[in-house]
Amino acid sequence: EVQLVESGGGLVQPGGSLRLSCAASGFTFNNYWMTWVRQAPGKGLEWVAAVKPDGIEKYYVDSVKGRFTISRDNTKNSLYLQMNSLRVEDTAVYYCARGRVGASGWGQGTLVTVSS
Amino acid sequence: QSVLTQPPSVSAAPGQKVTISCSGSSSNIENNYVSWYQQLPGTAPKVLIYDNNKRPSGIPDRFSGSKSGTSATLGITGLQTGDEADYYCGTWDISLSVGGFGGGTKLTVL
Repeated sequence: EVQLVESGGGLVQPGGSLRLSCAASGFTFNNYWMTWVRQAPGKGLEWVAAVKPDGIEKYYVDSVKGRFTISRDNTKNSLYLQMNSLRVEDTAVYYCARGRVGASGWGQGTLVTVSS
Repeated sequence: QSVLTQPPSVSAAPGQKVTISCSGSSSNIENNYVSWYQQLPGTAPKVLIYDNNKRPSGIPDRFSGSKSGTSATLGITGLQTGDEADYYCGTWDISLSVGGFGGGTKLTVL
C-alpha cells in the first residue's frame, strides 16, 4: 500500500524559511516522479513542483521559482521542499503526491501558515 | 488562474448520473494523460481516475473517465449523498513543463 506522510509544517513569519519532508513507503520510490501540491484555505489545488525519479530534473510553478527547491533522497525514500522567502500567500496545506500530477497517491498534507 | 477549466458546480438527484467536464488545450489534455480526484470535506484528495480512464483498486465502476481531443469528462452514475465533494482534473502541460489542475467542481446531490 502506498503511504506518503508529510511533516515540517507550522507557523512562520513572512520572509522566513521552512523545510517540508515526505516519507514514502509501500512502493519503489526511485521509480516515480514525485510532486508537491498545495491548497490555500477555501481554494482549489495548485501544483507547486515536481522532480524526476533520478532527482536531477525539477520543475516549478512560476510563483515559487527562485524561492522553493524540491529535492529527494532515494536512499531514504524521502521527498523534500525547501521554502525560503515565504509570503503570506504561501499559506496552504501542502500535499506530497506520487506522479507528475499525483495520479497515483497523495499524503494527508501538512499546514504551512505564513503570518506575522 | 487554472490551466484547465471546469464548471464551478453541478448537481443531480440521488441515483441519477452526472458528468463533469475539463477543458484544456493541445499542450496539456490532448497530449497527456488526465487524472481525476475526489476531495471530501476536510480530507486529502483521492485518485478516482488515472491515465484518462483507469480506476485504482477500490474505486467503484460508478466512476468513469473519458477524453476526446482537448477535453476530458468524469462520469458518475448511481449518485449517492456520500459523493458530495469537490472534484478536480489534472494533467501535465508539455509547453509550460508544469502540472496543472482544474479549478474544481462542487458536486451537490440533491
